[in-house]
Amino acid sequence: AQSVTQLDSQVPVFEEAPVELRCNYSSSVSVYLFWYVQYPNQGLQLLLKYLSGSTLVKGINGFEAEFNKSQTSFHLRKPSVHISDTAEYFCAVSEGNQGGKLIFGQGTELSVKP
Amino acid sequence: DAGVTQSPTHLIKTRGQHVTLRCSPISGHKSVSWYQQVLGQGPQFIFQYYEKEERGRGNFPDRFSARQFPNYSSELNVNALLLGDSALYLCASSWDRGRGPYEQYFGPGTRLTVT
Repeated sequence: AQSVTQLDSQVPVFEEAPVELRCNYSSSVSVYLFWYVQYPNQGLQLLLKYLSGSTLVKGINGFEAEFNKSQTSFHLRKPSVHISDTAEYFCAVSEGNQGGKLIFGQGTELSVKP
Repeated sequence: DAGVTQSPTHLIKTRGQHVTLRCSPISGHKSVSWYQQVLGQGPQFIFQYYEKEERGRGNFPDRFSARQFPNYSSELNVNALLLGDSALYLCASSWDRGRGPYEQYFGPGTRLTVT
């Protein structure tokens, strides 16, 4: 069965420092991978997605992620974070033709300090 | 263009009552999915509807039901509310034509509190 594990529940980091949010998944079939961001009291906004092709994908707000099939990982990175990046980040997968069903991880709370 | 809209924004209900949540997808999107997000957790898939037919169902009891209308808007119904149904209910729409994947666009959610 599909599952998604976000390895860190909270990540504190200072402004302008680099950050990596880790995500591992398990699936027996081809998967498609997503990172979403959720600001307080709001819905989810798509940061980036991996569907096929290049394993390094770039998203909005300077974020990027690398799909590693052998390690079943899809870690999110940003070289320099800003206070406004403080939010909850969710990794999600969907399988095959089940595009309407996303399986989410538990989330990582990114806290950027001045 | 308007994004996914949901109503109401907040709702307080008593145990045992029934609730109906509403969602309007982005114009042109024919697929709507519903998710439940309990505080401190990731969203969990409840239903997907495409062209008014149920495409998928998550691991939720029969107290949860949904439907999609000809204009592709959708309703999520929950009967016999329990305290554990308190959550943020998210609606997402996409272009999904069954050959996925398609990017899902989320609404702001409805915060349901059951007392």
